[in-house]
Amino acid sequence: NAGVTQTPKFRVLKTGQSMTLLCAQDMNHEYMYWYRQDPGMGLRLIHYSVGEGTTAKGEVPDGYNVSRLKKQNFLLGLESAAPSQTSVYFCATGDRWGSEQFFGPGTRLTVL
Amino acid sequence: DQQVKQNSPSLSVQEGRISILNCDYTNSMFDYFLWYKKYPAEGPTFLISISSIKDKNEDGRFTVFLNKSAKHLSLHIVPSQPGDSAVYFCAASVGRTYKYIFGTGTRLKVLA
Repeated sequence: NAGVTQTPKFRVLKTGQSMTLLCAQDMNHEYMYWYRQDPGMGLRLIHYSVGEGTTAKGEVPDGYNVSRLKKQNFLLGLESAAPSQTSVYFCATGDRWGSEQFFGPGTRLTVL
Repeated sequence: DQQVKQNSPSLSVQEGRISILNCDYTNSMFDYFLWYKKYPAEGPTFLISISSIKDKNEDGRFTVFLNKSAKHLSLHIVPSQPGDSAVYFCAASVGRTYKYIFGTGTRLKVLA
């Protein structure tokens, strides 16, 4: 089992470009999350999903959109990247509300 | 305003000795706490949790202590091993909800 995978691992964008980060899981978990981690700060929740076809805003949702068309995939989109979105992005899954979360390896994104 | 604080960014401990990682929180409504461990270039992995109805939870070499009156929790690792060298995050929530608030992390180095 691969667990939680993220694609790509690294990416460099120019300001204004768009991109999509893919999170895939084979754990059959209902809940999926996107976090960002910045130096000197903890993980902050961007968006989350409680099941296929559902999404909701987390703590820092501005500038991001998400989709959960299939249970196993959770996509994070940046429509017009800004330097403030330079960060490491982590996807996580959970098998029930409030359970421990299982994290992917992260995507390091740099916006120039 | 950091609701969950890990005031020690780093800690070094000799192999075989005890490692004590601390976490303070400000929101008295928090009642569920977790510790995650993170190696470089990997996502965080769940280590141990504690509910506010307990003041201690043990799992092998890892013990978490909760002092509700002081709004303080600590993670004890005994004995420390070089493989424990990682960044440790504490996280807190009100009830077992999706919305965990993470601390900024403490980098533990266990010296052989």
